[in-house]
Amino acid sequence: KQEVTQIPAALSVPEGENLVLNCSFTDSAIYNLQWFRQDPGKGLTSLLLIQSSQREQTSGRLNASLDKSSGRSTLYIAASQPGDSATYLCAVSAINDMRFGAGTRLTVKP
Amino acid sequence: NAGVTQTPKFQVLKTGQSMTLQCAQDMNHNSMYWYRQDPGMGLRLIYYSASEGTTDKGEVPNGYNVSRLNKREFSLRLESAAPSQTSVYFCASSVMAAATNEKLFFGSGTQLSVL
Repeated sequence: KQEVTQIPAALSVPEGENLVLNCSFTDSAIYNLQWFRQDPGKGLTSLLLIQSSQREQTSGRLNASLDKSSGRSTLYIAASQPGDSATYLCAVSAINDMRFGAGTRLTVKP
Repeated sequence: NAGVTQTPKFQVLKTGQSMTLQCAQDMNHNSMYWYRQDPGMGLRLIYYSASEGTTDKGEVPNGYNVSRLNKREFSLRLESAAPSQTSVYFCASSVMAAATNEKLFFGSGTQLSVL
């Protein structure tokens, strides 16, 4: 059974700092990995999707990497802003299955 | 663009009551999903519908039933609510089933409390 872990559960940084969020998974037989953002009381918004054959994806200040062999992914946020404050979740997809991590709650202080 | 719309946003039930959560998407997606989110845990799949006319159990289906009414609508029914079903419920959709390289689009959620 695939297990997805995100550490730390919460992170607080000052505005402008570059930061890395971590995601680990136990089964490397995946189709893709997605990073989502969730604002309080809202649904999830997909930020980046990395296919199993890819190593990274970039969108603006966000860069996500994938190392299937080690079961790890990172989400790098450059020059963080208060508007980046949210919970970030990763999810891995396999055959008819998608497993989510519990998320990292990020606070960016002005 | 409406995207994925869920109703209601909030609901309080007594143990044993029944209710149906409604979900509709306007993106012409084939696949739809119901998840629950509990504190400190990731989202867990309850049921999914890979295409119109099909439904399958996810990780935590007990106590729930679903209906794929048409391509747009996918409902989740609690026949006899239990306190363990207190959670936030999310509906999601994708062009094809989640096993392919397709992003998921989520509704804003239904916060359900069972007393």
